[in-house]
Amino acid sequence: AQSVTQPDIHITVSEGASLELRCNYSYGATPYLFWYVQSPGQGLQLLLKYFSGDTLVQGIKGFEAEFKRSQSSFNLRKPSVHWSDAAEYFCAVGPRSNDYKLSFGAGTTVTVRA
Amino acid sequence: SAVISQKPSRDICQRGTSLTIQCQVDSQVTMMFWYRQQPGQSLTLIATANQGSEATYESGFVIDKFPISRPNLTFSTLTVSNMSPEDSSIYLCSVPQETGVPSDTQYFGPGTRLTVL
Repeated sequence: AQSVTQPDIHITVSEGASLELRCNYSYGATPYLFWYVQSPGQGLQLLLKYFSGDTLVQGIKGFEAEFKRSQSSFNLRKPSVHWSDAAEYFCAVGPRSNDYKLSFGAGTTVTVRA
Repeated sequence: SAVISQKPSRDICQRGTSLTIQCQVDSQVTMMFWYRQQPGQSLTLIATANQGSEATYESGFVIDKFPISRPNLTFSTLTVSNMSPEDSSIYLCSVPQETGVPSDTQYFGPGTRLTVL
């Protein structure tokens, strides 16, 4: 059965520092991979996605993620965090089929301190 | 991208009652999904709402508890029936970006925050 693991429940980072959020998946085959962000009181917004090709994916808000097949990982990074990046981040995987069903990780809450 | 609205945005309900949540999309879509996000937890798919046919429920969710309607290609409702405090969650609807690419981006509504007393 597929699963998505986000090992870090909560991360605190200083404004201007770099950020890395970890995501590991267990899947029968390479799935489609996504990172979503949920700001307080808001719905989920797609940050970036990986389908195929270049394993380093650029997203919105200065985020990037790297797919590593050998490690079954899809870690999210940002070189310099802004206070507005405080939010909850979800890694998700979807099958290479037409049912569009996503499986989400438990999420990582990011706190940004001044 | 699709723009999704949900009503109500939040509600506080008494146990034993039911609440119907509405989801409106600004474009016609074949599939709509309903998710539950329990406090401090991730999103769990409840069901897929298909226009013109019965909703498809995931394991652990049943139609009697979460009846879904899908009267047209832009609208769906989810009812949380006979509520208990354990139903306190954020309920979100989503629609996929139907580009023909399997499992492409999903767009999410802002969610309905439900508290059951």
